[in-house]
Amino acid sequence: EAGVTQFPSHSVIEKGQTVTLRCDPISGHDNLYWYRRVMGKEIKFLLHFVKESKQDESGMPNNRFLAERTGGTYSTLKVQPAELEDSGVYFCASSQDGYLNTEAFFGQGTRLTVV
Amino acid sequence: AQKVTQAQTEISVVEKEDVTLDCVYETRDTTYYLFWYKQPPSGELVFLIRRNSFDEQNEISGRYSWNFQKSTSSFNFTITASQVVDSAVYFCALSDPYSSASKIIFGSGTRLSIRP
Repeated sequence: EAGVTQFPSHSVIEKGQTVTLRCDPISGHDNLYWYRRVMGKEIKFLLHFVKESKQDESGMPNNRFLAERTGGTYSTLKVQPAELEDSGVYFCASSQDGYLNTEAFFGQGTRLTVV
Repeated sequence: AQKVTQAQTEISVVEKEDVTLDCVYETRDTTYYLFWYKQPPSGELVFLIRRNSFDEQNEISGRYSWNFQKSTSSFNFTITASQVVDSAVYFCALSDPYSSASKIIFGSGTRLSIRP
């Protein structure tokens, strides 16, 4: 069974450009989460989808970040325009249900570098 | 407020040595979950263990063991007879079990390097 897949694995862009990260969850997982780790600090929650609906987006840092999950399958996270402080590793995770008695599976992350 | 502290930023030991990764947490909840995740060089986060706050029994899985002590709010992770393949960043995490996985609070991670 395929795990959570993220694309690209690395992205280097200039300040002011736009970048779109993609996450393919495990098939059948309704719950999809985005997290990020900035500057070697702790991993922080960004948002949570249940199918195509945003269940919780309290972690989104500002309106330069837009997440979508059309059709309740894969998700994209767009950063527009990118700033230097957006550099970090962006993780996606998915789970069958939304409760912690069910394990959340994480992808390999996308390393974003804004120069 | 919930918080997880991993005071050890980096640890380097020689292969076959035992190593303990420290984790201290803060929470006002009486019911909560604690986690450890491993991030190998390939990048993905690998789930290692989940414990609930009512189960203070220590757990052993092969060369891995976990010591949960509510009295000191600690959930330490020990690798016995370390191997080069154990080299990774290890994250401790905390959450309210009645919330979704969106409420996992991670520590800043400990980078473990095992030298041959």
